[in-house]
Amino acid sequence: SALTQPASVSGSPGQSITISCTGTSSHVGISNLVSWYQQHPGKAPKLVIHEGTKRPSGVSDRFSGSKSDNTASLTISGLQAEDEADYYCCSFTGTTAWVFGGGTKVTVL
Amino acid sequence: QVQLVESGGGVVQPGRSLRISCAASGFTFTSYDMHWVRQAPGKGLEWVTVISYDGITKYYADSVKGRFTISRDNSKNTLSLLMNGLQREDTALYYCAREVTGKWYFDWGQGTLVTVSS
Repeated sequence: SALTQPASVSGSPGQSITISCTGTSSHVGISNLVSWYQQHPGKAPKLVIHEGTKRPSGVSDRFSGSKSDNTASLTISGLQAEDEADYYCCSFTGTTAWVFGGGTKVTVL
Repeated sequence: QVQLVESGGGVVQPGRSLRISCAASGFTFTSYDMHWVRQAPGKGLEWVTVISYDGITKYYADSVKGRFTISRDNSKNTLSLLMNGLQREDTALYYCAREVTGKWYFDWGQGTLVTVSS
């Protein structure tokens, strides 16, 4: 993938975890192009963060997004069992295509 | 409320063709660029193609360029994907997605499964 994510991240209930998404200056480097999706097994992806840091209405404020240079990050604070899912970052490449990260499996211990 | 309902998936032999469709409702279809995104079994999401709101501009992932054709019928609020020369690697759940203008994110359908197998 043009966007690199860790394959897995785990944490105990109540802890905070951070998922990174590393790209290039042409997409992740422009933070408002990055979105994050949560996907539970057998379900369609659900938006949790858009434009790098914005949280849609209805999404828990335990989800937050940030960026440093060419790496975007999704932080889940106060980890709960329902947060166990796959998470994908996504960005417009700035030219003609879109790209997803390889996905990160979040496990709640 | 945005609704995207995909249809047309099924089992198809390698080398054959298949057309899948997406019926859109709950928004002004003619105002939005539309995408197809796929997910192979047990794998991650892969962007496939996009068509502009007016149907004029189309872009494709390298993996499908020359084989897949995206189209839309704005009079029927329908998005389509014609897949030619299907390969086993094209087996996936195909999602129809609306690009939210200026916000850089997608609204998703539930997907239609395409299985390429002899």
